[in-house]
Amino acid sequence: GAVVSQHPSWVICKSGTSVKIECRSLDFQATTMFWYRQFPKQSLMLMATSNEGSKATYEQGVEKDKFLINHASLTLSTLTVTSAHPEDSSFYICSARVGPGSYEQYFGPGTRLTVT
Amino acid sequence: AQKITQTQPGMFVQEKEAVTLDCTYDTSDPSYGLFWYKQPSSGEMIFLIYQGSYDQQNATEGRYSLNFQKARKSANLVISASQLGDSAMYFCAMREYPGNEKLTFGTGTRLTIIP
Repeated sequence: GAVVSQHPSWVICKSGTSVKIECRSLDFQATTMFWYRQFPKQSLMLMATSNEGSKATYEQGVEKDKFLINHASLTLSTLTVTSAHPEDSSFYICSARVGPGSYEQYFGPGTRLTVT
Repeated sequence: AQKITQTQPGMFVQEKEAVTLDCTYDTSDPSYGLFWYKQPSSGEMIFLIYQGSYDQQNATEGRYSLNFQKARKSANLVISASQLGDSAMYFCAMREYPGNEKLTFGTGTRLTIIP
């Protein structure tokens, strides 16, 4: 099946610094990738939809200047958490869709961010 | 309004028994898709099964089957012959068509299989 990787798998950073998380589709091209956030013991909340070569579409309430998304190629999307604060600590998961005709989203293993 | 409702926050089931995880949904679109994902403690989301709104038959994938009752807007996951490795969080999700790519997830059910 299609494989999506994320890097890093976990990161600890100090408050005020920026952190970049990579999401890669390893064996397929993904025109659309999605970024989710999951707080402990809660569900996944969609943050934004990332389309290759265009600006990301952010969900209501998500600060686009704080969560910068770049989808520079058909296999790579990045999420940068700028000026991170402890409340940004969370589990960030990306997913990718194989193509317009595919209903399935393949998820990455997630990145656990802890801001101290 | 909640689009996906999972009313069972936690369930304990004896190994080898069948288990049903409940999911109800709310949409006015005639075209939509329903998904079930498994999330073990390691965190990755594992796709289990998909049901399209126009599918005539209930979806099945190995030990997983989806009990789709369209009129009741219900899409329950049935796991037959449960195994210890089935212990995980289970999320029901919906995608509405056309053009809307995103998945909306329910709050999840934590399933624990007892040996």
